[in-house]
Amino acid sequence: DIQITQSPSSLSASVGDRVTMTCRASQGFSEALAWYQVKPGKAPKLVVFAGSRLEDGVPSRFTGSASGTEFTLTINSLQPEDFATYYCQQYYTSPYSFGQGTKLEIK
Amino acid sequence: QGHLVQSGSEVKKPGASVKVSCKTSGFTFASYSISWVRQAPGQGLEWMGWVSGYNSVTTPTQGLQGRVSMTTDTSTSTAYMQLTDLRSDDTAIYYCARRTFLGYLDSWGQGTLVTVSS
Repeated sequence: DIQITQSPSSLSASVGDRVTMTCRASQGFSEALAWYQVKPGKAPKLVVFAGSRLEDGVPSRFTGSASGTEFTLTINSLQPEDFATYYCQQYYTSPYSFGQGTKLEIK
Repeated sequence: QGHLVQSGSEVKKPGASVKVSCKTSGFTFASYSISWVRQAPGQGLEWMGWVSGYNSVTTPTQGLQGRVSMTTDTSTSTAYMQLTDLRSDDTAIYYCARRTFLGYLDSWGQGTLVTVSS
C-alpha cells in the first residue's frame, strides 16, 4: 500500500499570506494525486487533480506541484474562505490513501 | 458537475447494520463509479472503496472487507453503502463522491452522520 505523509498538521496564517503544505508518498508513482478542501458541515471540494491541475472554478491563487514523491499545495494571497482543512489523496493504486490533513487556521 | 444527495443521520446500536443512500443527478450514472469515504470525529478522511455505476463491481478497502457492501440502483441513479456489525469506532460522517475515470473524486455528497452508541 502507498503511505502518504502530510505536513504540517496545522498552519496559522493571516489573510493575504502565502502558505504551503506538502504530501510525501512512500513510493513513486505518476502524478495521480488530488487535493481536497474540507469545511465543517459542508461537502468536501476538489481543488487540484493530477498533481497540478486546478479544478474548474478554483481560484488561480491555488497552485499544485509535484516533484518525485513530493507534492505541494500552495495558496497565494489567502482569502477568508480558504481557511479549512486540506487533504491530499493518491489515486494511483488501491487503497486510495489520504494524507492526515492540514488544518489552515486564521492567525 | 454531478449532484449527490445523501440520506439523513442515523443512530445505531453496536452490532446493528446501517445503509446509507446517495442519490445522484446531473450526469450519466453508468459512466462513473461512486466512492465512499468516512471521517471519524476529530480524524482525517478514510477511503472505503468504490462501486461501478456501470456493472456494480466493487473495490472495498481490505480493512472493511466482510462488513461493507456497496451497491447501486441504476433505475434511480442511487448508490448505497451498507455497513454491518457496527462498532463504536464506526461512528463517523460517511460521504459518497463521484469517482472520475482517472480516480479522483470531483463531486461529493453532503455527508451522513452515523452514530454507534449503546
